[in-house]
Amino acid sequence: KAGVTQTPRYLIKTRGQQVTLSCSPISGHRSVSWYQQTPGQGLQFLFEYFSETQRNKGNFPGRFSGRQFSNSRSEMNVSTLELGDSALYLCASSWGVNTEAFFGQGTRLTVV
Amino acid sequence: SQELEQSPQSLIVQEGKNLTINCTSSKTLYGLYWYKQKYGEGLIFLMMLQKGGEEKSHEKITAKLDEKKQQSSLHITASQPSHAGIYLCGDLTQGAQKLVFGQGTRLTINP
Repeated sequence: KAGVTQTPRYLIKTRGQQVTLSCSPISGHRSVSWYQQTPGQGLQFLFEYFSETQRNKGNFPGRFSGRQFSNSRSEMNVSTLELGDSALYLCASSWGVNTEAFFGQGTRLTVV
Repeated sequence: SQELEQSPQSLIVQEGKNLTINCTSSKTLYGLYWYKQKYGEGLIFLMMLQKGGEEKSHEKITAKLDEKKQQSSLHITASQPSHAGIYLCGDLTQGAQKLVFGQGTRLTINP
C-alpha cells in the first residue's frame, strides 16, 4: 500500500512569488491535514480537509490556502511569499477523525 | 490552549541502554500520537493511545498513557543506532483531526 506522497520534495522561491504544494493521501483516506515545521515554532497545524471541505483551520494568515479534490488529493498554496515562510511543509493522511495519521516526507520550501 | 511538554529535550545514551521520554499535557489528552522524525524528513507513525492506562508496543518501543490521561511515556529497550532521531508526541483536538505537538526530544545513540 503506497504511503503519503508529497511533491515536490524541495522548492526555492523568491520573496513575493506564490507556490503550490501537492499531497496524495493513502488510498481510501479522506482526511488530509497540513502542517508547517520550523526550528523556532515547531510543528504547527495549518488546515484540514475532508471530502473536499475544509473542516479546521489553524492560526495562519490568509496567504495560506488549500483545497482538496474529489480523489482526496490536496494542494496548499502560499501567496506573496515571505522569508519567514521558509519551512518544511508536511501533510498527514487519515481515514477520519480520531484515527491514525500518517505523514508524507514533506516539502522543504526555501524563500530567498 | 493546550500545551505539550516533552522531557528531556535531548538525550544521549549508549547503545544497548534503555531510555524513557515523557510527554506531559496541560489538559486531558484526547488521542496521543507518538512519531519519530529523521532530520528534515517526514514523521514516522509509531503508536496512538486513547484510553487511560493503555499500553502499546512496537518492536522494542513501548508507549503508555497514564490513567489520568495527562501524561504519556515512550520507553525504548536495548537502544540501537536505528533508534536515533527526534521523537514527537502529538495530541488530538477533540472532535477534529488536528494535532498539537510537543517540541520534540532529540535522541542520540552512541556506539
